[in-house]
Amino acid sequence: EVQLVESGGGLVKPGGSLRLSCAASGFTFSSYSMNWVRQAPGKGLEWVSSISSSSSYIYYADSVKGRFTISRDNAKNSLYLQMNSLRAEDTAVYYCARGSMVRGVGYFDLWGRGTLVTVSS
Amino acid sequence: DIQLTQSPSFLSASVGDRVTITCRASQGISSYLAWYQQKPGKAPKLLIYAASTLQSGVPSRFSGSGSGTEFTLTISSLQPEDFATYYCQQLNSYPRTFGPGTKVDIK
Repeated sequence: EVQLVESGGGLVKPGGSLRLSCAASGFTFSSYSMNWVRQAPGKGLEWVSSISSSSSYIYYADSVKGRFTISRDNAKNSLYLQMNSLRAEDTAVYYCARGSMVRGVGYFDLWGRGTLVTVSS
Repeated sequence: DIQLTQSPSFLSASVGDRVTITCRASQGISSYLAWYQQKPGKAPKLLIYAASTLQSGVPSRFSGSGSGTEFTLTISSLQPEDFATYYCQQLNSYPRTFGPGTKVDIK
């Protein structure tokens, strides 16, 4: 089955760290760019970070730049998000999403169910 | 950064209604726009990419149009399962911004 499964969320104190994982299955993971998107409670979607298929290109939202690090292990079909110096405003459901492209136009066509990160003392 | 606005932010409609949602970009993004549907407690689902291409498996009552700075998502005949929040997203440049969403509710 083609799917993405996130894990690693939980409750963490402000200033703390957390590492999210996203396990991919059912498709050739190494052929796709991957993304993290988050959604604060009751709010809209916010793009967080993207990584190309070979990790050559990495991008971050300004809100997380310098604190979060995206990475991937194509041998393990896994995507990661290392989150440091966490703040209350980082509280959200974090989704991993597959990036596809047709005729140079990209889109996020496969999403995981998400993992909840709560930053609170 | 490219900003996206959506209108309306909330829409009340009945089953069978034709519904149109507009997404406007702060600068031209050609056809680098996607639309997603999200139901409460669920992950977003891709509906449309490249502004007007229907994702495989998505009902044909959904359609998208536009280019440049103005885009529309149309549901030709609203069905009970279509009550959800809809988001546009630009993929012209980074950051990959999303619109604020349009919630479609039952009248």
